[in-house]
Amino acid sequence: ETGVTQTPRHLVMGMTNKKSLKCEQHLGHNAMYWYKQSAKKPLELMFVYNFKEQTENNSVPSRFSPECPNSSHLFLHLHTLQPEDSALYLCASSLGGAGGKGAGGIDTQYFGPGTRLTVL
Amino acid sequence: GNSVTQMEGPVTLSEEAFLTINCTYTATGYPSLFWYVQYPGEGLQLLLKATKADDKGSNKGFEATYRKETTSFHLEKGSVQVSDSAVYFCALIPAAGNKLTFGGGTRVLVKP
Repeated sequence: ETGVTQTPRHLVMGMTNKKSLKCEQHLGHNAMYWYKQSAKKPLELMFVYNFKEQTENNSVPSRFSPECPNSSHLFLHLHTLQPEDSALYLCASSLGGAGGKGAGGIDTQYFGPGTRLTVL
Repeated sequence: GNSVTQMEGPVTLSEEAFLTINCTYTATGYPSLFWYVQYPGEGLQLLLKATKADDKGSNKGFEATYRKETTSFHLEKGSVQVSDSAVYFCALIPAAGNKLTFGGGTRVLVKP
């Protein structure tokens, strides 16, 4: 399997549930990202990891907890979510590395298909 | 800060019509510019990119030219197909850093 994969593709959960989203990249990249895409709102960057270290947390509520055990895997642990957290959650990866730039000076991001989350 | 502005949709076209989606940006220096496409029910796919002024990115019949003087990166396709129906996002990465800034997206609907 190539590219960036995400599981599950669809998730329905109650506000008291705990669930996790998984992202895996097969591109040999070192940086991984979580984005939130809500209806009628711009794409929102949530977290950035570079070489397994979190380099950005875009003021995300603590009910979202990321985990990056290695450069190929990224998780988003969810607990006590609210209905307004329903959205498409997109994972992306890029070459990353020194200065945040990949080969040729551009750190192009490649996206997975997303997980459609519904919170009841 | 950095920002990307693109025309609001939806844009409705007939098959084989000419498509233009305007995109302008605000950023210091020379950012890298991107167009991503999101087909229904899917994630974002990189469509094309350009890294310096006057560069032209092209892919699948789509083109966009990096215009520094007008801070624009308009997307064009000469003859659209029904399969081009999607949401198109313009984005930039600043010269320093790796944070992608997206425009709001433009929905395109091509009718047969």
